[in-house]
Amino acid sequence: SQWGEENLQALSIQEGEDVTMNCSYKTYTTVVQWYRQKSGKGPAQLILIRSNEREKRSGRLRATLDTSSQSSSLSITGTLATDTAVYFCATTGTGGYKVVFGSGTRLLVSP
Amino acid sequence: EAAVTQSPRNKVTVTGGNVTLSCRQTNSHNYMYWYRQDTGHGLRLIHYSYGAGNLQIGDVPDGYKATRTTQEDFFLLLELASPSQTSLYFCASSDAGEQYFGPGTRLTVL
Repeated sequence: SQWGEENLQALSIQEGEDVTMNCSYKTYTTVVQWYRQKSGKGPAQLILIRSNEREKRSGRLRATLDTSSQSSSLSITGTLATDTAVYFCATTGTGGYKVVFGSGTRLLVSP
Repeated sequence: EAAVTQSPRNKVTVTGGNVTLSCRQTNSHNYMYWYRQDTGHGLRLIHYSYGAGNLQIGDVPDGYKATRTTQEDFFLLLELASPSQTSLYFCASSDAGEQYFGPGTRLTVL
């Protein structure tokens, strides 16, 4: 498996709190993407961070990538109830087109 | 706007049945993917393709065939469906980076 952690993780927080989700991967990657999947929908990309970047921001989202420890994180500041979803990280190795997803983190944000 | 459509949205078949899931993209992307999603396993890659006539093996290909007939169309074939193939299937398209997903097909094999 490409991933260090296989079990779906679950987090439950209150609206307004900040949250950080982590993933670790085993094999070389050129790109890490973070996706969000809301109930009944397909995943949608949030952020893409390349191996030569350590951090990327988009609105309330911040992704980090540490290639030395083969880990990535996604932080959401000031969460909203609408952030309730499953969040996946996905890696792309050499060749650039095979994308492998982790098992995800289920985030529940209560109003 | 990028668009990936899948049909059917829901399908019920019996063990040993023959099923074809269809995917069409209008993004002009070269790459298309089939994933299955099961609780506790996230999204697992079945097959992918980088153009018409091309097929690449994913991580969980057993029991599945796929065919890319045009740049737009990618099909997933289950020729002898088994209950273990009961799952939610997603198609996606991509051109170096972001993947655009379809709405999914829920398949039940009785």
